[in-house]
Amino acid sequence: GNSVTQMEGPVTLSEEAFLTINCTYTATGYPSLFWYVQYPGEGLQLLLKATKADDKGSNKGFEATYRKETTSFHLEKGSVQVSDSAVYFCALPIQGAQKLVFGQGTRLTINP
Amino acid sequence: EAGVAQSPRYKIIEKRQSVAFWCNPISGHATLYWYQQILGQGPKLLIQFQNNGVVDDSQLPKDRFSAERLKGVDSTLKIQPAKLEDSAVYLCASSWGSNTGELFFGEGSRLTVL
Repeated sequence: GNSVTQMEGPVTLSEEAFLTINCTYTATGYPSLFWYVQYPGEGLQLLLKATKADDKGSNKGFEATYRKETTSFHLEKGSVQVSDSAVYFCALPIQGAQKLVFGQGTRLTINP
Repeated sequence: EAGVAQSPRYKIIEKRQSVAFWCNPISGHATLYWYQQILGQGPKLLIQFQNNGVVDDSQLPKDRFSAERLKGVDSTLKIQPAKLEDSAVYLCASSWGSNTGELFFGEGSRLTVL
């Protein structure tokens, strides 16, 4: 079945550093791919998504490109801020698009 | 637009006691989910409702967990009796039920079983 594997954390960076959080997937067909973010004390919220191969999702300076050749959907940001400190989850649907399976999450801490 | 509401935010109980969590989804969202998030892991789906019918409860430990969604709106998740390994955050999410795959999550209910 569909599954997703994220790089293990935690990840600690200095402000303005470049960020990459790796995500690879196993799936039947080409489902939509998602990144969710969980800020401290809050629920998960959608950060960005890509609905087909070669699509690039972007939001709040974050980007991720749906690469079918490498079955990857890595999250990147060119210059991180302290406010980006959160837990990031890669996700994809199973059994159609109404149910998501999540990676284990990557905790990101940005130091000023 | 009001978000997904959950209560209580925190609950501490002793093992073998019971607990109930409540969720009010975004108005008009047909699909409601309960996820369990154990510390350091990603959320795991427990049960999915479409309106007031169960779509998938294959991962719900039915000997101790139960859930209902009365009138296709609010939902309650119950654990009885609780075990130590049930300590987790219980997340409620809702969606339109269309093919977008976007879920809207509440803040979660953190359960500690002593």
